[in-house]
Amino acid sequence: DVKVTQSSRYLVKRTGEKVFLECVQDMDHENMFWYRQDPGLGLRLIYFSYDVKMKEKGDIPEGYSVSREKKERFSLILESASTNQTSMYLCASKTGLGSYSNQPQHFGDGTRLSIL
Amino acid sequence: AQTVTQSQPEMSVQEAETVTLSCTYDTSENNYYLFWYKQPPSRQMILVIRQEAYKQQNATENRFSVNFQKAAKSFSLKISDSQLGDTAMYFCAFMPNNNNDMRFGAGTRLTVKP
Repeated sequence: DVKVTQSSRYLVKRTGEKVFLECVQDMDHENMFWYRQDPGLGLRLIYFSYDVKMKEKGDIPEGYSVSREKKERFSLILESASTNQTSMYLCASKTGLGSYSNQPQHFGDGTRLSIL
Repeated sequence: AQTVTQSQPEMSVQEAETVTLSCTYDTSENNYYLFWYKQPPSRQMILVIRQEAYKQQNATENRFSVNFQKAAKSFSLKISDSQLGDTAMYFCAFMPNNNNDMRFGAGTRLTVKP
């Protein structure tokens, strides 16, 4: 089974702090994603990466950056945390395009981040 | 841009009965994939069922089946013989064939009552 591991289930930080959310997958997937989940809004894509050192903006990249130095690890960075970034953050991975494009995404357990 | 709409924020069903969750989407694409994901209170999102748009036959996975109406851009999920463990948030998702841009609906919170 695919395993997507997020480093923290719960995290509390203060406004202005730099926050790192880590995600690791063990299935050699090319693609990795960061979403935030808010009530009534579903999942919104922040960033995704289709290869090491490659990244693409999603729908709501403002205030976030990402890093993918190794294939199995995809980090989400809040450069200067603000209270409106309090949310549930979900990481996902999936295998590549082409004949595998219909493959589903596999999700981690999520990190509930509170910014005070 | 593609959008996915789940018009039922909350639903409930008695154990052993059948419930249908609705989902509509908007796209100009002809080839795409549709998914239903389940997120139990433990929070990990897991795939329930998926449908390729080019297939006319509705997908089925045990007690879960879909009613895919391509012309109407509708993709509803039917859960038969509901079980307490089906209590969860359910998300409908759309993905075009040519990229990884998956779009999710707002979700439906389903409660199965004993």
